[in-house]
Amino acid sequence: NAGVTQTPKFQVLKTGQSMTLQCAQDMNHEYMSWYRQDPGMGLRLIHYSVGAGITDQGEVPNGYNVSRSTTEDFPLRLLSAAPSQTSVYFCASSSSWRNAEAFFGQGTRLTVV
Amino acid sequence: AQTVTQSQPEMSVQEAETVTLSCTYDTSESNYYLFWYKQPPSRQMILVIRQEAYKQQNATENRFSVNFQKAAKSFSLKISDSQLGDTAMYFCAHWAIQGAQKLVFGQGTRLTINP
Repeated sequence: NAGVTQTPKFQVLKTGQSMTLQCAQDMNHEYMSWYRQDPGMGLRLIHYSVGAGITDQGEVPNGYNVSRSTTEDFPLRLLSAAPSQTSVYFCASSSSWRNAEAFFGQGTRLTVV
Repeated sequence: AQTVTQSQPEMSVQEAETVTLSCTYDTSESNYYLFWYKQPPSRQMILVIRQEAYKQQNATENRFSVNFQKAAKSFSLKISDSQLGDTAMYFCAHWAIQGAQKLVFGQGTRLTINP
């Protein structure tokens, strides 16, 4: 059972570079989301989607872009990486926004130098 | 807006002891879920226990139980007979069934179980 798959697991970027964090789920879940985890701050919501073609901003959306062209995939794009985006990123999915039990990917540790 | 507060950044107990992690939250919603997630050193987020706000009975999952005080907006996690494998970060989280459509996390409590 694959569940939620995130790639890559680790990434180092130079300031100003762009990249895409991939997230795919095989559970036919409607709801997908991206979080970043920073020490002492828990997980904070970046963007979320309640279905294909629908996305919305979370708590910390600046510097990130998302799209949801299929139910399975929800990539997160860093447009121009900054050191403040050094963090651990998690993708999560739920069967619907009414069923909050979230399944998480294994996370991506991103370092921007 | 919903907020979740975990006031204990770190805790440490001996193996086989009972430990309680605290969580308070603030919400204007009447219908919501509360969760405890565990994050071991592997970084994987694992659901420990879930409580639906409209249910008065406290949720239990084997050695894990919660004390849900809706009026006080308190949601503590009790771990009985603690094991070395319980060593992890623990996050409390809130989900409003209507409105915000997002999982709001507390800051986390780092729990260490000592042999």
